Amino acid sequence: DAGITQSPRYKITETGRQVTLMCHQTWSHSYMFWYRQDLGHGLRLIYYSAAADITDKGEVPDGYVVSRSKTENFPLTLESATRSQTSVYFCASSRGTVKNIQYFGAGTRLSVL
Amino acid sequence: DQQVKQNSPSLSVQEGRISILNCDYTNSMFDYFLWYKKYPAEGPTFLISISSIKDKNEDGRFTVFLNKSAKHLSLHIVPSQPGDSAVYFCAAPLTSGTYKYIFGTGTRLKVLA
Repeated sequence: DAGITQSPRYKITETGRQVTLMCHQTWSHSYMFWYRQDLGHGLRLIYYSAAADITDKGEVPDGYVVSRSKTENFPLTLESATRSQTSVYFCASSRGTVKNIQYFGAGTRLSVL
Repeated sequence: DQQVKQNSPSLSVQEGRISILNCDYTNSMFDYFLWYKKYPAEGPTFLISISSIKDKNEDGRFTVFLNKSAKHLSLHIVPSQPGDSAVYFCAAPLTSGTYKYIFGTGTRLKVLA
């Protein structure tokens, strides 16, 4: 089915482990984004990408790495997970039109123990 | 510093009545605003938007009002339905034409049957 999908939906890991969250979209949208949602903070932008091989930092990039070798994929890697990275992570994509509407995946709930 | 603020974390409304969700912003350069709706275990979905050249935009039961002098926008839902129970986020592009959104912290609306 077309759209934007995130995997896994749930992940439990331990402090210090490397974790990769996957995001795949079938719309060929140019822009892709990673957010984290935490109580009291709403949605905060981690990284975004304007096109393949073009990425830029958002509000809270520390501890995260992204890549975008293909337009449809935008994985987010936690190089050495910390408890403060326990959160719900959302991937989004956008055509980049004037209305700037972003379309979100269903999210990945990550727990770092 | 929260540039987009939703000061009411929750709101309860009777079915059929009006729901009013509020959002304040601090950056007078914001020229476009969006509302997103989020159900549990799902990603946010776009609801309605407004450009700063307008003071009102309506889409069915949803109307967004913008008061630029007060740096305030509100989302009105009339009549409210139980299916409207969700978390509502307001958002603004960080700078004009950018795809980096700033989100508010969200307001959880509960519509009571």
